[in-house]
Amino acid sequence: DADVTQTPRNRITKTGKRIMLECSQTKGHDRMYWYRQDPGLGLRLIYYSFDVKDINKGEISDGYSVSRQAQAKFSLSLESAIPNQTALYFCATKESGANTGELFFGEGSRLTVL
Amino acid sequence: SQQGEEDPQALSIQEGENATMNCSYKTSINNLQWYRQNSGRGLVHLILIRSNEREKHSGRLRVTLDTSKKSSSLLITASRAADTASYFCATVHSGNTPLVFGKGTRLSVIA
Repeated sequence: DADVTQTPRNRITKTGKRIMLECSQTKGHDRMYWYRQDPGLGLRLIYYSFDVKDINKGEISDGYSVSRQAQAKFSLSLESAIPNQTALYFCATKESGANTGELFFGEGSRLTVL
Repeated sequence: SQQGEEDPQALSIQEGENATMNCSYKTSINNLQWYRQNSGRGLVHLILIRSNEREKHSGRLRVTLDTSKKSSSLLITASRAADTASYFCATVHSGNTPLVFGKGTRLSVIA
């Protein structure tokens, strides 16, 4: 099984619908992140969390919310989806501590908003 | 935005050749990392270089860092078709700040 699991892997929805993307990890990492990838724009940070109940906004948090229900789970919600939120979304985890810098990524959730 | 910039945006080479990708960034860093992404898949960490290091090797990968020029390069030697992927640099500006990714270089290795 993958260390970082994202569900769903693909989702097509309509404008105005509420969507939740879920991420779970078995790595035991404290830190979890949601990034968005658009063609030609690289990855941009949406939200991140250093521990349960710790939530921090990233570069592009407008239109999104997150919940860190447990150390292993970090979900991303689109309250009212719009077409320009069509993108590939990645969850990532990282072990806390100054010497460990590597991010571990899930396989991505491809969201299409019509 | 503190986002790094990779150069070139796309690179096409023959199998066996070396591939060099560059990354520039704007503010001082704690470390710089390179990641690889196969088409539509999750990113995979390749190598991390700290601000007090100038060069690092891992297998066929060689990374350099020039903090005075705020730039890094990734060299893949003796490239293979399986190296075809997008490569991203990511910077950490202080201990707890999240990684900031560049826009990536798309590498095609032709057999």
